[in-house]
Amino acid sequence: DADVTQTPRNRITKTGKRIMLECSQTKGHDRMYWYRQDPGLGLRLIYYSFDVKDINKGEISDGYSVSRQAQAKFSLSLESAIPNQTALYFCATSDYRRYNEQFFGPGTRLTVL
Amino acid sequence: AQSVTQLDSQVPVFEEAPVELRCNYSSSVSVYLFWYVQYPNQGLQLLLKYLSGSTLVKGINGFEAEFNKSQTSFHLRKPSVHISDTAEYFCAVSDPENTGFQKLVFGTGTRLLVSP
Repeated sequence: DADVTQTPRNRITKTGKRIMLECSQTKGHDRMYWYRQDPGLGLRLIYYSFDVKDINKGEISDGYSVSRQAQAKFSLSLESAIPNQTALYFCATSDYRRYNEQFFGPGTRLTVL
Repeated sequence: AQSVTQLDSQVPVFEEAPVELRCNYSSSVSVYLFWYVQYPNQGLQLLLKYLSGSTLVKGINGFEAEFNKSQTSFHLRKPSVHISDTAEYFCAVSDPENTGFQKLVFGTGTRLLVSP
């Protein structure tokens, strides 16, 4: 079984809809991250969480919110989706002792029409 | 703020040929350096990392990278590529001097295309 799972894997939605992307991990890591990947731009950090009570904005958090429901679960929400949020979204985890060696989920491809 | 430059967006190469994927970073102070690989329809997977010590780092699948502080480079190499190495490769850097959150800064990626 995969250590970091994301649901859904693909989603097509319309402008203005609320969308939630979910991430679960079985690695026992304390830190979790959400990134978006756009062609030619690499990966950009949206939010990160060091534990259930510690959530922080990344470089592109506008238009997004997150919830850390448990150590193993970290959800990303788009309150009102817009077309320029069309991208590939990745969840990642790490252990604070391992110098940013992050483990990535398989990604969610989101299309906003 | 640190940045990472991967000048080659795409590198075509024939099977069994050597390959070098280039990565340059912006800062000359202490850095941690990483190469990640993304196979089609998958998440990123760590190939190798440089934290300290030997400047030649060996990773999985026969890849290696050399840390060159004077050139601020961390180029990835493989002496003989396989079709299965076709993927996108990302270089990333973090700042060990940062007492807060040592975020990873990713380059824009290099797509390696291996043909028979």
